[in-house]
Amino acid sequence: DSGVTQTPKHLITATGQRVTLRCSPRSGDLSVYWYQQSLDQGLQFLIQYYNGEERAKGNILERFSAQQFPDLHSELNLSSLELGDSALYFCASSVVLGELFFGEGSRLTVL
Amino acid sequence: AQRVTQPEKLLSVFKGAPVELKCNYSYSGSPELFWYVQYSRQRLQLLLRHISRESIKGFTADLNKGETSFHLKKPFAQEEDSAMYYCALSLFLSGGYQKVTFGTGTKLQVIP
Repeated sequence: DSGVTQTPKHLITATGQRVTLRCSPRSGDLSVYWYQQSLDQGLQFLIQYYNGEERAKGNILERFSAQQFPDLHSELNLSSLELGDSALYFCASSVVLGELFFGEGSRLTVL
Repeated sequence: AQRVTQPEKLLSVFKGAPVELKCNYSYSGSPELFWYVQYSRQRLQLLLRHISRESIKGFTADLNKGETSFHLKKPFAQEEDSAMYYCALSLFLSGGYQKVTFGTGTKLQVIP
């Protein structure tokens, strides 16, 4: 158990819908990272937050948004969903420098 | 900007054969480098980091600053080593946080 919790574990929805993925980092970790992993593809970095502020942005679509709340948990919002958004979405957290601790991921299926 | 390259998408080796997963990075300073592993249907987890200079599950990785490489090696592959391996580079930035860049990953398939 890495200490990073992601909910929901699985989510099935329809095209055009909106979903919210939640991540609770390890206690004390200020940084939260979001990654997308599609079938047969590697990790695609989406966005990073540090202590509530956005710090880095990767290949995140405009239909996607995220935020980190004062209690340090983070949410990734995916809207106007398309079939191609079906993927495993990972959250990770870290202290200032060093190892990233990953959650088990949220598997999104868009039908 | 920093970059991590893993040239092989898939590496197949026979059980007992040596394994070398390649990782090259581009960064002019002194980065911190990691190898992460993802076993089937599991979360990513740290395998090893260059500053610890230790061997985990028989794997080692040496940072070669001249060649800007951090290849992962194991002398004798085991079936349980079959997994996805990611090389990652971490930079500590002003403002007190780190930026982590992952390679595209290499799938290691160990053939019985």
